[in-house]
Amino acid sequence: KAGVTQTPRYLIKTRGQQVTLSCSPISGHRSVSWYQQTPGQGLQFLFEYFSETQRNKGNFPGRFSGRQFSNSRSEMNVSTLELGDSALYLCASSSTPGVDTQYFGPGTRLTVL
Amino acid sequence: KQEVTQIPAALSVPEGENLVLNCSFTDSAIYNLQWFRQDPGKGLTSLLLIQSSQREQTSGRLNASLDKSSGRSTLYIAASQPGDSATYLCAVNMNRDDKIIFGKGTRLHILP
Repeated sequence: KAGVTQTPRYLIKTRGQQVTLSCSPISGHRSVSWYQQTPGQGLQFLFEYFSETQRNKGNFPGRFSGRQFSNSRSEMNVSTLELGDSALYLCASSSTPGVDTQYFGPGTRLTVL
Repeated sequence: KQEVTQIPAALSVPEGENLVLNCSFTDSAIYNLQWFRQDPGKGLTSLLLIQSSQREQTSGRLNASLDKSSGRSTLYIAASQPGDSATYLCAVNMNRDDKIIFGKGTRLHILP
């Protein structure tokens, strides 16, 4: 069974631009969560989607948004990029949110110049 | 507000030793607790998941315990190997809103 895949793996953007990251969960998993990881703040929860609906949202500004498609693939979008958005963005999938083990993808490394 | 703390932040031990990593949390109303390992620049690999009703879980050389009342979990690694070198993170899943909160991890280095 293929694992969680994230594209692209690396991105370089400049301040003010926007970016879209993609996550394909493990086949059969309907829950996708997104996290931001930085050296200073560690791993912080962004949001979770289940069956195309946002179930939970972390404490991030509205510039961070996401969506989930009917095939459970998810995208997150960051608009008006700031230097502080440079981070490793991880997505994780599970079959039943909050209950089952989360399986993580390799992450997308975003650098904002 | 739930806070998850992992001490120490970094640890170096000689190969072959048994070791314990600590995780503490301030709000005992958790649904489950999970231990992960992360290799540099990579995603997280789930090691063990302990439900709130359980006291421990074992997988190979790893044993994780959970004491909800005291807000503590430990990850015991037996007979450590250089391949165990990684950052170990614990994460708690809250009852109220299913948000998962991570500690900042313990960076483990096993000396050959």
